[in-house]
Amino acid sequence: QKEVEQDPGPLSVPEGAIVSLNCTYSNSAFQYFMWYRQYSRKGPELLMYTYSSGNKEDGRFTAQVDKSSKYISLFIRDSQPSDSATYLCATEGSGGYQKVTFGTGTKLQVIP
Amino acid sequence: DARVTQTPRHKVTEMGQEVTMRCQPILGHNTVFWYRQTMMQGLELLAYFRNRAPLDDSGMPKDRFSAEMPDATLATLKIQPSEPRDSAVYFCASGKENRGQAFFGQGTRLTVV
Repeated sequence: QKEVEQDPGPLSVPEGAIVSLNCTYSNSAFQYFMWYRQYSRKGPELLMYTYSSGNKEDGRFTAQVDKSSKYISLFIRDSQPSDSATYLCATEGSGGYQKVTFGTGTKLQVIP
Repeated sequence: DARVTQTPRHKVTEMGQEVTMRCQPILGHNTVFWYRQTMMQGLELLAYFRNRAPLDDSGMPKDRFSAEMPDATLATLKIQPSEPRDSAVYFCASGKENRGQAFFGQGTRLTVV
């Protein structure tokens, strides 16, 4: 079992829809949670970075962490065709150097 | 426009040949990561440097892979000899802190035939 599980999709939604992307993780030591966006044939770029449980909002994007259920989510409001990409969740433990563990990514397509 | 620069962008080589990939991290960043991405495994950490010192290369096959930082502006990943199973996209990333806030390069797409 991978430490971070993510549904690979693809997920297709109409423009303007609310998108929900999810990951589960197994290691309760993980304290930092990230979402990266990766366009085709490009490197991943950091979208959201959160510590511990709770919500974090940035424009149309909201990251949510529920440590009790080891569940992390990314919500995209008013989705746009430019949001079409692969979204990778990532986690990291606290205290000194901890390896960042990535999910395999969910491919999202927003249909105009 | 600060960015991580990787060369080459694409590389096709024959099995057994040596492959060297280069990375120029963002000026001022003190951490450098090498990742490998495949469809099956996703992103896997190969090596991690902090202040040019290798801190974690546990994900790297030691018999054929090596990673170095000759200076603060250059990181290299070498595969010798290369094998078809090494075909993947190799990403370099750099950052200022120890946490996962890394800036990725465009990647080197390696094909070993």
